[in-house]
Amino acid sequence: KNEVEQSPQNLTAQEGEFITINCSYSVGISALHWLQQHPGGGIVSLFMLSSGKKKHGRLIATINIQEKHSSLHITASHPRDSAVYICAADGWDDKIIFGKGTRLHILP
Amino acid sequence: DTGVSQDPRHKITKRGQNVTFRCDPISEHNRLYWYRQTLGQGPEFLTYFQNEAQLEKSRLLSDRFSAERPKGSFSTLEIQRTEQGDSAMYLCASSSGQGVQYEQYFGPGTRLTVT
Repeated sequence: KNEVEQSPQNLTAQEGEFITINCSYSVGISALHWLQQHPGGGIVSLFMLSSGKKKHGRLIATINIQEKHSSLHITASHPRDSAVYICAADGWDDKIIFGKGTRLHILP
Repeated sequence: DTGVSQDPRHKITKRGQNVTFRCDPISEHNRLYWYRQTLGQGPEFLTYFQNEAQLEKSRLLSDRFSAERPKGSFSTLEIQRTEQGDSAMYLCASSSGQGVQYEQYFGPGTRLTVT
């Protein structure tokens, strides 16, 4: 079992839909990252959080430390949101463990 | 451009050849990380530096792999006697490493294809 599990693995939705991607982890963490990776391979850090909730534009990330669970939400989704979204757990040993990613495809 | 840069962006090499990749971190960042990502997988940690010191190496980093950061600025990752299984995206990231929490900034990656 992977230490960081994401669901779903693939998600296709219509433009405008509310999107939720889930992440569960089994390790102790100092922080949890949500990353976005476009087809060219470059990775952009969306959020780093250790408690509660963060919002940036149409993106919202939440984390429940007790349940070892985090969610990434996208409101009013748009085709340009199509990408792979990766959850990564930042352990206390300075190493990050990545999930396999969720491939999101937003249809116009 | 103040982001993390990597060179080359793409590399095709024949099995058995040596390859070297370069990463230039954000200038004030003292931590530099190397990751490898194979198709359909999330990135996997390879190694990281704090300034010029290599503090951690993954078991994924076999003897054919070596990484350096001689002056605490740019880093190189060399793969000797490449194998087809080395084909992957090699990602570099840097961070300021201040305090417990820090954000890593990723480069665009170097895609290696071993034929």
